[in-house]
Amino acid sequence: ETTLTQFPGTLSVSPGERATLSCRASQSLSSSYLAWYQQKPGQAPRLLVYGASRRAPGIPGRFSGSGSGTDFTLTISRLEPEDFAVYYCQQYDNSPLTFGPGTKVDFK
Amino acid sequence: QAQLVQSGAEVKKPGASVRVSCKASGYNFNNFGITWVRQAPGQGLEWMGWISPYNGETHYAQRLQGRVTMTTDTSTNTAYLDVRTLTPDDTAVYYCTRGLGRRLGTSAGDYWGQGTLVIVSS
Repeated sequence: ETTLTQFPGTLSVSPGERATLSCRASQSLSSSYLAWYQQKPGQAPRLLVYGASRRAPGIPGRFSGSGSGTDFTLTISRLEPEDFAVYYCQQYDNSPLTFGPGTKVDFK
Repeated sequence: QAQLVQSGAEVKKPGASVRVSCKASGYNFNNFGITWVRQAPGQGLEWMGWISPYNGETHYAQRLQGRVTMTTDTSTNTAYLDVRTLTPDDTAVYYCTRGLGRRLGTSAGDYWGQGTLVIVSS
């Protein structure tokens, strides 16, 4: 089973700042099958990025994904108030699919 | 526009079973896999398994294998999740989500149901 580790656990930032979230896999994802989701309280997760770097339809350009192998990054270039949420990475390269524990982005 | 609508909240006693449904609309149901994900109160996301409506292929999380069955009804474009022998640890919001394609390797979830709260309590 591929374990995903996300860091930091909590990221305190101010609106307008850049946020960098990391996700590390316990084994290489052969096809960069790595997705990022945003979840706000009481809501279902929303797909932001798939294939490590492909932005999902309708997702603002300030969200970008990068990485390959075992190390992946989600960058939010300039935080908007609506971006404060929990972010999860997920690998869908091999079964069982797994999620990371999440990074909470909150107000500094 | 694709949409997934799930059945309503359930309260069950330990040892009982629950069925959650997920009705799809707005797209060709056969062409996209369905993943089930659950989230216990205050916790992260847990992948439960995946099913292909196209050919019925399933993959389950090993820790749930034997207690969980995923099925689809292509005549009504509905996916079902059955969980047996419930314990309080199964208390969670259960989500269905549509993948990006037919294969397990395309199962990043682009559309999500609204979630179904299942409470297991004596």
